[in-house]
Amino acid sequence: GAGVSQSPSNKVTEKGKDVELRCDPISGHTALYWYRQRLGQGLEFLIYFQGNSAPDKSGLPSDRFSAERTGESVSTLTIQRTQQEDSAVYLCASSFMGANGYTFGSGTRLTVV
Amino acid sequence: TQLLEQSPQFLSIQEGENLTVYCNSSSVFSSLQWYRQEPGEGPVLLVTVVTGGEVKKLKRLTFQFGDARKDSSLHITAAQPGDTGLYLCAGRAWENAGNMLTFGGGTRLMVKP
Repeated sequence: GAGVSQSPSNKVTEKGKDVELRCDPISGHTALYWYRQRLGQGLEFLIYFQGNSAPDKSGLPSDRFSAERTGESVSTLTIQRTQQEDSAVYLCASSFMGANGYTFGSGTRLTVV
Repeated sequence: TQLLEQSPQFLSIQEGENLTVYCNSSSVFSSLQWYRQEPGEGPVLLVTVVTGGEVKKLKRLTFQFGDARKDSSLHITAAQPGDTGLYLCAGRAWENAGNMLTFGGGTRLMVKP
């Protein structure tokens, strides 16, 4: 597609439930990133995929968080046993390897009640 | 870990005023980018600066990369309500094997008509 697409745009879930967030990057972009943005704050790095290399998971806050990417296409971020502190906007971005900037999706706003 | 600190965190000004936003680090970056994020959207790339001392202009916005490549500033002349948003700086470290960016905490700008 023309841009990075994320779904759902909004998700309300009960504490303790699992959620799955989806990101469709720009076709041909080899790199894909997930960030978390709490209300009114900057971007917190979660995970980075680059081609077929092992992902950089150094930003995942706990073992309840995991992410997968199929080749150079769709990625899913899974949060198990959600907690209220997981409430945030989850942003996905993609880029060409070595390219200057990231193209971000509009994010998924997750609310854990 | 490279940290980027932005100041001020919040800025509220009247239409027509000038302002400067700062992005500082103790680390050296190979390049630095500025993004603007509007509510409900992902950040959008405004500019990339690469050379120490470099100045780039984008209409009423002037971006400067410090001589030592550790800091940057964004100056807006005659601010307009359409400039309202969250401004994020992001740096790429020299030793970065991939395309990873480190983001600052952001400056939230409100321009009142």
